[in-house]
Amino acid sequence: DAKTTQPPSMDCAEGRAANLPCNHSTISGNEYVYWYRQIHSQGPQYIIHGLKNNETNEMASLIITEDRKSSTLILPHATLRDTAVYYCIVETNFGNEKLTFGTGTRLTIIP
Amino acid sequence: ETGVTQTPRHLVMGMTNKKSLKCEQHLGHNAMYWYKQSAKKPLELMFVYSLEERVENNSVPSRFSPECPNSSHLFLHLHTLQPEDSALYLCASSQGTGLENTEAFFGQGTRLTVV
Repeated sequence: DAKTTQPPSMDCAEGRAANLPCNHSTISGNEYVYWYRQIHSQGPQYIIHGLKNNETNEMASLIITEDRKSSTLILPHATLRDTAVYYCIVETNFGNEKLTFGTGTRLTIIP
Repeated sequence: ETGVTQTPRHLVMGMTNKKSLKCEQHLGHNAMYWYKQSAKKPLELMFVYSLEERVENNSVPSRFSPECPNSSHLFLHLHTLQPEDSALYLCASSQGTGLENTEAFFGQGTRLTVV
């Protein structure tokens, strides 16, 4: 059973903020929200993760709703190199657990 | 460069061949993983090793045989594969303590073609 739902594809103009939504309505209290991306034919790359507070790092911001049933990944100033498939994943942790990847959102940055 | 190195990057093998994929990390991580990514499909977890012991085997056919001789190295031995096994094989590692959340680092993958 898929734990997350993402739109299959999105476009964003270069230089604009890219906002990628993710629904995870069945998330449990000890599950984190992770975001990864995969540029064509490369291995996935970690972006950010969070539990309930909003998070920001040098790559992106993660906004999690108060009820934790959805979240948004924000790339503040998208560049052409941000074109990739973005995966939203819900897991307890990645210690001895596993990351279960869905089909993700294919984000295309338009020049 | 993620710190996880996979070799070879590309591999073409016949159905009767035996080959091995290698993964190496010197990040001090205790957990290592093999994933398979077929065309137009999500990544599928194959095997998980924690502290050199296999903790997950996701119903993978026996023609795929993993080996973890130490915490820095992970192998995937391949024999009598089928054309449908052609895919991108990805290795990943993580801290693996289970005590705190940490990201996974992926290698660049091995593009395998079975002919």
